[in-house]
Amino acid sequence: LAKTTQPISMDSYEGQEVNITCSHNNIATNDYITWYQQFPSQGPRFIIQGYKTKVTNEVASLFIPADRKSSTLSLPRVSLSDTAVYYCLVYTGGGNKLTFGTGTQLKVEL
Amino acid sequence: DGGITQSPKYLFRKEGQNVTLSCEQNLNHDAMYWYRQDPGQGLRLIYYSQIVNDFQKGDIAEGYSVSREKKESFPLTVTSAQKNPTAFYLCASSKSFGGVFSPLHFGNGTRLTVT
Repeated sequence: LAKTTQPISMDSYEGQEVNITCSHNNIATNDYITWYQQFPSQGPRFIIQGYKTKVTNEVASLFIPADRKSSTLSLPRVSLSDTAVYYCLVYTGGGNKLTFGTGTQLKVEL
Repeated sequence: DGGITQSPKYLFRKEGQNVTLSCEQNLNHDAMYWYRQDPGQGLRLIYYSQIVNDFQKGDIAEGYSVSREKKESFPLTVTSAQKNPTAFYLCASSKSFGGVFSPLHFGNGTRLTVT
């Protein structure tokens, strides 16, 4: 099973770009990488998904190097409302289990 | 609007009692999941179901049971055998499980307290 590792916490200020990296050394060929955002007492919400290189949507970018052993979620110009826990999820197709990483608590300050 | 409904939002039970958490989705998704989250912790998979009348154990299935008699419903029963049932329980669904992965849609959870 692919196991993911993320920093436990990160601090930033409003207007800055934040990059959160997830390590997934055992990722399988057909696995996709997905990032979710969770606010307290709510369910996680989908942010972005990718397989390789770079994916961008209206809220974030996802960078995946050629070896796919890690991925980086990039949040441009964060605001206070981006304070949340961010999870990296690698779909372990071989084991048919969707295992979340430990999550990264992002705190954005003025 | 389509979504996932978990009820109730808060649930209190006495130790030794079984309790069932409800999860309903109107997204027409085939796959459904139950996760458990403890304070300051990540999400751990309890059970999942790829299609109706089928379900599989996740990483921490002991003390829990599920059923999937209807596509839109995936109730979770926390039995008296679960040693530490107090937690935040999250239900999710996705369009499909196998093949190209489709993002999970989560409900807003049920916070279970057992005393």
